[in-house]
Amino acid sequence: EMQLLESGGGLVQSGGSLRLSCAVSGFSLSDYAMSWVRQSPGKGLIWVSSIGGGYGTHYSESVKGRFTVSRDHSENMVYLQMSSLRAEDTAIYYCVKDETPYNGIWDAFDIWGRGTKVIVSS
Amino acid sequence: EIVLTQSPGTLSLSPGEKATLSCRASQSVSSNYLAWYQQKPGQPPRLLISGASIRATGIPDRFSGSGSETDFTLTIRRLEPEDFAVYYCQQYGISPLMFTFGQGTKLEIK
Repeated sequence: EMQLLESGGGLVQSGGSLRLSCAVSGFSLSDYAMSWVRQSPGKGLIWVSSIGGGYGTHYSESVKGRFTVSRDHSENMVYLQMSSLRAEDTAIYYCVKDETPYNGIWDAFDIWGRGTKVIVSS
Repeated sequence: EIVLTQSPGTLSLSPGEKATLSCRASQSVSSNYLAWYQQKPGQPPRLLISGASIRATGIPDRFSGSGSETDFTLTIRRLEPEDFAVYYCQQYGISPLMFTFGQGTKLEIK
């Protein structure tokens, strides 16, 4: 069974840093692009960052320059290093997997972790 | 950037009725790269439909997706109690910068 398990969330002061981790199981991480999606309390879904199988990375404008996504195939892990955190970064962060092996299309998300909550206090 | 607008914001129906949810794009969605997700309280979203009309693994056939270019529809025929949730549409494609979600439609029990 394909699973994603996030960890690393918590309460942090504005300007601080956190590293989120996503443990991958049940599939070959190297075959798939992975992304992070966040959801602020009571709000909708917002794409944050993606990393391809070839390690190409992409970021939304709101986090570019502050967040860094990475992956470790040997450890079956995906990471999101977050720095210069702001109150508006408060959200549940979901690690998500593309539906199909990467083929040039960044696909729909078929597997979601349960999320890890980040609270940034001002 | 393509903006996805979902309507209605809230839809109140009874079990057994048919639900029709709309997702309108500000520009044409290439190759029908349009997905639908269901989210229940306290749970992560679940993929229902990709490619505008292809049901994901394990999704009941009462869920169907249709549409093209700028107008897409999620139809749920004969609503079951477990179908009452929030539904999001999402665009995807040749760049992750295309990953945008609609604002969601809440399907509630009448």
